[in-house]
Amino acid sequence: GESVGLHLPTLSVQEGDNSIINCAYSNSASDYFIWYKQESGKGPQFIIDIRSNMDKRQGQRVTVLLNKTVKHLSLQIAATQPGDSAVYFCAEISYNTNAGKSTFGDGTTLTVKP
Amino acid sequence: DTGVSQDPRHKITKRGQNVTFRCDPISEHNRLYWYRQTLGQGPEFLTYFQNEAQLEKSRLLSDRFSAERPKGSFSTLEIQRTEQGDSAMYLCASSLASYSSYNEQFFGPGTRLTVL
Repeated sequence: GESVGLHLPTLSVQEGDNSIINCAYSNSASDYFIWYKQESGKGPQFIIDIRSNMDKRQGQRVTVLLNKTVKHLSLQIAATQPGDSAVYFCAEISYNTNAGKSTFGDGTTLTVKP
Repeated sequence: DTGVSQDPRHKITKRGQNVTFRCDPISEHNRLYWYRQTLGQGPEFLTYFQNEAQLEKSRLLSDRFSAERPKGSFSTLEIQRTEQGDSAMYLCASSLASYSSYNEQFFGPGTRLTVL
């Protein structure tokens, strides 16, 4: 079956540095990839998505890169701030199920040191 | 607040008891999802509704679990004869469905279930 996973369960960075969170996926038929941020006691919050026919998308302080050749996805956070400390999940959506449901990986805990 | 709301936020119950959770989606959203999340894991899909119709159920949803969305607005998730393995965060999400493109899912804060 499909799986989505992250390379490292934890990442610690210094405030102001850039963060890179990685994700590998197995479903070559995925239509969209999404990054979520989840803070303690809250539900996942959408950060940014990328369609499968793109290889890069930028948002505010965040960039997502998609490499379909090696089935790899990354989230780059520029000038990481203490408020960025959270668990980050990548997820994929495949429209062949017509459900729009997300298949999540297991998460990377980002800790930002002041 | 016009986001997705869930009630209760926390539920502690004894093994064998029945529990029911409620989710109120964003008002104009016609699609509603339930996920389960255990500690350290990503959310896992349980079921989803398009309006009042339940269109898909995961194999994770045993026959002790039932979900309804009777009027196409709020939804309930009931777990009968709870087991300790049911302890998890139950998340609800809603979106405005489109068959040709992806629309963002908005998640609620979740209901944390602890089965003693």
